[in-house]
Amino acid sequence: DSGVTQTPKHLITATGQRVTLRCSPRSGDLSVYWYQQSLDQGLQFLIQYYNGEERAKGNILERFSAQQFPDLHSELNLSSLELGDSALYFCASSMTGNEQFFGPGTRLTVL
Amino acid sequence: ILNVEQSPQSLHVQEGDSTNFTCSFPSSNFYALHWYRWETAKSPEALFVMTLNGDEKKKGRISATLNTKEGYSYLYIKGSQPEDSATYLCAFVDSSYKLIFGSGTRLLVRP
Repeated sequence: DSGVTQTPKHLITATGQRVTLRCSPRSGDLSVYWYQQSLDQGLQFLIQYYNGEERAKGNILERFSAQQFPDLHSELNLSSLELGDSALYFCASSMTGNEQFFGPGTRLTVL
Repeated sequence: ILNVEQSPQSLHVQEGDSTNFTCSFPSSNFYALHWYRWETAKSPEALFVMTLNGDEKKKGRISATLNTKEGYSYLYIKGSQPEDSATYLCAFVDSSYKLIFGSGTRLLVRP
């Protein structure tokens, strides 16, 4: 158990819908990262937050957005969902510059 | 376009063999290089975070080296065990803190 929690574990929804994935970092970690792993694709970095502020942006679509709240938990919002958004979404946390601890992931299925 | 290449793509070795993999990354805008171990149906687990040219890190039978001038890192496993079977991922972190993952080396250790 890494200490990073993600909810929900699984999510099934329809195209066009909007979902929110939630991540609680390890106690004391200020950085939260979001990743996407699609079928037959490697791990793609989406976005990083540090202490409530966006720090780095990767291949995140405009339909996706994220935020980190004062209590350091983070949410990833995915809207106008398409079939191709079906993937495993990981959150990770770290003390800046140090190793990242990954949560168990949320598996999103868009039908 | 930044490319992170890992080789080989997959490797089958016998228990007790020593093995090594390569991660190649851009030699400019370097901030850090991460190595992760990813077992099937689990979350990635951090092995090393390397930041300085010439860095050598060790964790048990696993070690890694870093050459930022020529843009490569090696991961070594001494005396491979079946429990070492996993995908080993490297991630290049650039100076804007963006992470780019390689596609991984899948290691299978036969008893």
